Amino acid sequence: ETGVTQSPTHLIKTRGQQVTLRCSSQSGHNTVSWYQQALGQGPQFIFQYYREEENGRGNFPPRFSGLQFPNYSSELNVNALELDDSALYLCASSFGPYTGGDNEQFFGPGTRLTVL
Amino acid sequence: ELKVEQNPLFLSMQEGKNYTIYCNYSTTSDRLYWYRQDPGKSLESLFVLLSNGAVKQEGRLMASLDTKARLSTLHITAAVHDLSATYFCAVDFQTQGGSEKLVFGKGTKLTVNP
Repeated sequence: ETGVTQSPTHLIKTRGQQVTLRCSSQSGHNTVSWYQQALGQGPQFIFQYYREEENGRGNFPPRFSGLQFPNYSSELNVNALELDDSALYLCASSFGPYTGGDNEQFFGPGTRLTVL
Repeated sequence: ELKVEQNPLFLSMQEGKNYTIYCNYSTTSDRLYWYRQDPGKSLESLFVLLSNGAVKQEGRLMASLDTKARLSTLHITAAVHDLSATYFCAVDFQTQGGSEKLVFGKGTKLTVNP
């Protein structure tokens, strides 16, 4: 069984640039959620993708967007980068958008984004 | 909007001592998670608590859930240095759109000193 993977591991960008982060879900999982974790804070929900559509969104501006592909992998795109976008970006996969029973979200290793 | 509060945010303790981390949340939820995070690393799932009165133990850590009080505790018994990390509680919250998101506390940074 393959766990959740993310790429790249680290990334440095400058203000105003655009970035794409990638996530491969765990084998058998069809739902991907993205979280932003600023330094010293708990992760915050960005959005979730299920069946290739956005299925719930947190308090993030539209310049945060995403995609999910038929193989359930996902991308997080951030346009017009700001200094405050510097954070650890975590994706989590699950089987379905409802984590009932023993279904839970499993987190990937994260991508550390630094915006200069 | 669901709020999750942890306390303390910082905890420095000596090896061999016991302590408890508290997690309060503001609206009804049937599921609470505890995670461990080492510096620069991702989240490691420790416990999933599914119902009122649930208690789970793994090694020196024990977690419990009281859904009526909207309170979970993570108890550390006879702390050892290897437990030094940041611990997060997170609560499932169903959005209006039908998805579920995890709402995290700010974390408790635990340092265990020899």
